[in-house]
Amino acid sequence: GAGVSQSPRYKVAKRGQDVALRCDPISGHVSLFWYQQALGQGPEFLTYFQNEAQLDKSGLPSDRFFAERPEGSVSTLKIQRTQQEDSAVYLCASSLAVVTGGPTEQYFGPGTRLTVT
Amino acid sequence: AQSVTQLGSHVSVSEGALVLLRCNYSSSVPPYLFWYVQYPNQGLQLLLKYTSAATLVKGINGFEAEFKKSETSFHLTKPSAHMSDAAEYFCAVSKTGFQKLVFGTGTRLLVSP
Repeated sequence: GAGVSQSPRYKVAKRGQDVALRCDPISGHVSLFWYQQALGQGPEFLTYFQNEAQLDKSGLPSDRFFAERPEGSVSTLKIQRTQQEDSAVYLCASSLAVVTGGPTEQYFGPGTRLTVT
Repeated sequence: AQSVTQLGSHVSVSEGALVLLRCNYSSSVPPYLFWYVQYPNQGLQLLLKYTSAATLVKGINGFEAEFKKSETSFHLTKPSAHMSDAAEYFCAVSKTGFQKLVFGTGTRLLVSP
């Protein structure tokens, strides 16, 4: 596709419900990142995939958060038993992840705004 | 641990005036530095990136940033603000250039006619 897409764009969940957020990266991009952006804050790293391997999940705030990328393309971020503090915009980014030649650009999707009531 | 600090949560300028958004970094190794812009209800778009090839980096939309190691700074400037520049701007640092980004808290740029 032309860019990173995310769905749904908006999600309202009642406290305690499970949610699943989808990210479609740019075709051919090896690396995929999830970030959480609370209101008025900068994005904060959640987790990172290289192809289907989850290489870094140090930013996941609790074991209620789970991410997967089973075929190395589409990724899903799942939040179980949502809490009010989970309300935020969840951003997905992808990149080519070329190791040599300098930093690679992360291309961001529009985000999913999650509101937990 | 790497981090960036953005001074000023809001910056207001008049159209045509100089834009200066401040970013200071903390890093134990030479960092990769980035500036991103975020328009309402949109994702982040890369403005420019520091790769150590040159200390003065030119980006899109007339923005540029200068890496100053002695001041641990990477401030973003634009000689003449345009109304369309009104947005949220984020400075970010990465240890290796292809791993996770650590963002500052952002600076909202307001441009008045």
